[in-house]
Amino acid sequence: QSALTQPASVSGSPGQSITISCTGTSSDVGGYKYVSWYQQHLGKAPKLMIYEVSNRPSGVSNRFSGSKSGNTASLTISGLQAEDEADYYCSSYTSSSTRVFGGGTKLTVL
Amino acid sequence: QVQLVESGGGVVQPGRSLRLSCAASGFTFNNYAMHWVRQAPGKGLDWVAVISFDGGTQYYADSVKGRFTISRDNSKNTLYLQMNSLRAEDTAVYYCAREARSAHDNWGQGTLVTVSS
Repeated sequence: QSALTQPASVSGSPGQSITISCTGTSSDVGGYKYVSWYQQHLGKAPKLMIYEVSNRPSGVSNRFSGSKSGNTASLTISGLQAEDEADYYCSSYTSSSTRVFGGGTKLTVL
Repeated sequence: QVQLVESGGGVVQPGRSLRLSCAASGFTFNNYAMHWVRQAPGKGLDWVAVISFDGGTQYYADSVKGRFTISRDNSKNTLYLQMNSLRAEDTAVYYCAREARSAHDNWGQGTLVTVSS
């Protein structure tokens, strides 16, 4: 059950777009459409931003989008805003019927 | 609205036990699988365990298998995590989370467990 691989940090200026990658294996990310993304502000509980690779829950801005290619999933945030500054985590269902999270990515809005 | 409220955290000595609870409201509890996810201080999210909607199936992370037990009481709308043989590395905020569309769509505020002598 190794953690999915995410970059430790990414940054961008307001209005720009950024992409966070999430790399796993064929036993998790690559094998299923059950990849989700979470936003966590400091001291708060995580918030679901994307489910099933590319679907947004009601109330989540359409500036957030998800995709997957092979064993790597991606979260793209367009039109960066100051409020987007947070930690982001990917998660996947696994072939053992467990779940696994990525190590997390700290997004800094410059 | 969906509400998940964890309780039962605290300071416990290594090797001892603790039971966490998660009280659910605002939705039909027995329709959903439920998870425990933890986060060590300053670290990332770490999945712990899942239980099916009816309590009949459970899965665990390797790091807690054989020490932790997830259970639920659908008559009380409550999720539990029995933690035995606690170790320093179990120190974390423990969140309960509802599963919907194979994602954790609602989270509690978390309860802090500190394992220390």
